[in-house]
Amino acid sequence: EVQLVESGGGLVQPGGSLRLSCAASGFTFSDHYMDWVRQAPGKGLEWVGRTKNKANRYTTEYAASVKGRFTISRDDSENSLYLQMSSLKTEDTAVYYCVSWLSGVAYWGQGTLVTVSS
Amino acid sequence: DIVLTQTPLSSPVTLGQPASISCRSSQTLVASDGVTYLSWLQQRPGQPPRLLIYKISNRFSGVPDRFSGSGAGTDFTLKISRVEAEDVGVYYCMQVTQSLTFGGGTKVEIK
Repeated sequence: EVQLVESGGGLVQPGGSLRLSCAASGFTFSDHYMDWVRQAPGKGLEWVGRTKNKANRYTTEYAASVKGRFTISRDDSENSLYLQMSSLKTEDTAVYYCVSWLSGVAYWGQGTLVTVSS
Repeated sequence: DIVLTQTPLSSPVTLGQPASISCRSSQTLVASDGVTYLSWLQQRPGQPPRLLIYKISNRFSGVPDRFSGSGAGTDFTLKISRVEAEDVGVYYCMQVTQSLTFGGGTKVEIK
């Protein structure tokens, strides 16, 4: 059974940093592209960024809204995905989901809440 | 960037009646490999999104057969043949042909 478990969310002040983690199990992690998607309170889904798989040189891509502030990385030996967030803004407040996908099939984690507030 | 436009924004439906949601893309979703990576997600209140349909019309594991997807190119549809109480929630179309984008969502509620 595919499982994605996010952790690391919490309350952080504007301008601060936070690192999210996603622990994966039940599938061959190294084969999959991994994305972060967020959802602000009461809003729709917004793609944050992606890391491709080893075959695609772990290429990363980011949404314009987070580029230069957020960094996605992965550790295939630990079946883990990370999101390093810095220079956080109040508009980054959201539930952050880890998404794994292969051949068009997307698996979602339960999400972790990040609140940016003073 | 590919923009996905969903209609309607809200769909009040009587239990047992059908519902239909449209998703229109700003450009073709046919990828270079010939596959169209258009999916549908369901998000029940307080829950994370759940995959219903992938590659236009393939039902994901465990999804009831009252859900079906169709379409091609830039126009796609999700249909629920007979709405049940557990179908209440927000439905999103999603494309991974080019990066990843979502439609704005359609709220399905019971009349």
